[in-house]
Amino acid sequence: DAGITQSPRHKVTETGTPVTLRCHQTENHRYMYWYRQDPGHGLRLIHYSYGVKDTDKGEVSDGYSVSRSKTEDFLLTLESATSSQTSVYFCAISESGAGGANTEAFFGQGTRLTVV
Amino acid sequence: ILNVEQSPQSLHVQEGDSTNFTCSFPSSNFYALHWYRWETAKSPEALFVMTLNGDEKKKGRISATLNTKEGYSYLYIKGSQPEDSATYLCAPRSNAGGTSYGKLTFGQGTILTVHP
Repeated sequence: DAGITQSPRHKVTETGTPVTLRCHQTENHRYMYWYRQDPGHGLRLIHYSYGVKDTDKGEVSDGYSVSRSKTEDFLLTLESATSSQTSVYFCAISESGAGGANTEAFFGQGTRLTVV
Repeated sequence: ILNVEQSPQSLHVQEGDSTNFTCSFPSSNFYALHWYRWETAKSPEALFVMTLNGDEKKKGRISATLNTKEGYSYLYIKGSQPEDSATYLCAPRSNAGGTSYGKLTFGQGTILTVHP
């Protein structure tokens, strides 16, 4: 199994508070992703990173920010949590190089976030 | 954002039935097509990564084909079993250049339920 860990695994937070989720990898993969799981939408991309300090927006980036200060960590921050951000969040990693687009992504276990 | 369509959205079959579903994507700037299997309460896992027009891949009772010229891929399951029940996701990757190279955006998925 790919070395990818999400923390925390579960969190309950109040509306309006900032929340940070962490994704940690031990595979030295270039690409890292944050997704949220929504019924009827499958997995939707929030942000992704293509290197240290290099990030880009996904489909549903409003209300979220990310940072990647080192290869192994990709942080997702909900700047001011809202109830609509209650979801399961998945981190994923994939390889780099010429074959990067041809290699599969590996997913973390998911973080269940509830905003009350 | 790549326009990815998966059909049908959900499918109910009986144990032993064979089934298939479709992933449609823009054929321009195509680089690779990923298929993932996502069981309830688990993380998505890769089934196939396909790159060449006419590619066929097989893993046990599951196989996939790819048509990059017309922009579609089929996933087939032969002799479905209850343990095949899952959401099947596809994700095309583009070589449109820039940061889009590493972007991994999923279709909404096909939910398969296999009844004993």
